[in-house]
Amino acid sequence: AQRVTQPEKLLSVFKGAPVELKCNYSYSGSPELFWYVQYSRQRLQLLLRHISRESIKGFTADLNKGETSFHLKKPFAQEEDSAMYYCALRSGAQKLVFGQGTRLTINP
Amino acid sequence: NAGVTQTPKFQVLKTGQSMTLQCAQDMNHNSMYWYRQDPGMGLRLIYYSASEGTTDKGEVPNGYNVSRLNKREFSLRLESAAPSQTSVYFCASSTRHNYGYTFGSGTRLTVV
Repeated sequence: AQRVTQPEKLLSVFKGAPVELKCNYSYSGSPELFWYVQYSRQRLQLLLRHISRESIKGFTADLNKGETSFHLKKPFAQEEDSAMYYCALRSGAQKLVFGQGTRLTINP
Repeated sequence: NAGVTQTPKFQVLKTGQSMTLQCAQDMNHNSMYWYRQDPGMGLRLIYYSASEGTTDKGEVPNGYNVSRLNKREFSLRLESAAPSQTSVYFCASSTRHNYGYTFGSGTRLTVV
């Protein structure tokens, strides 16, 4: 069965410090992975896709098939990065399976 | 450019009451989805519609029904609301070839 695990419900770092939000998945096929973000009082929005190998708002994520991970990283956190982050896996018929989410708080 | 529109934004129901959550998208997307968001549980798929005229169960379909009225609209119905259905409900849509979802702003439902 497809599963996405985000082991940290809460993560708090200081402004300017590096950030890493962990995501592990289980999937028998070739995975397609995403990170979504939900800022306070805003709707969920796509942050990045592994297939694009892009950097959005300074965030990057590398797919590690050996470790079945897709961790989200940013070298220098900013206060506006405070939000809820969800890792998601495409599971056939365009369905997405989401992790439990990590609430990131950036302290000034 | 509205994107995905959900109504209502807030609703309080008594146990046993019924209601329909409405969702409409104006992006000509083929696929539409209903998720519920609960603390510590992430988003769980209730039902989805891969294309107009089709609907399928997701991870947590019990207690819900859906209707894909046309390509634009996908409604979620609670026939007899239960406190366990207290949640935030999100509608989303996507194209067949772009697996990024566009989400609605959510409906916060409380069942007392």
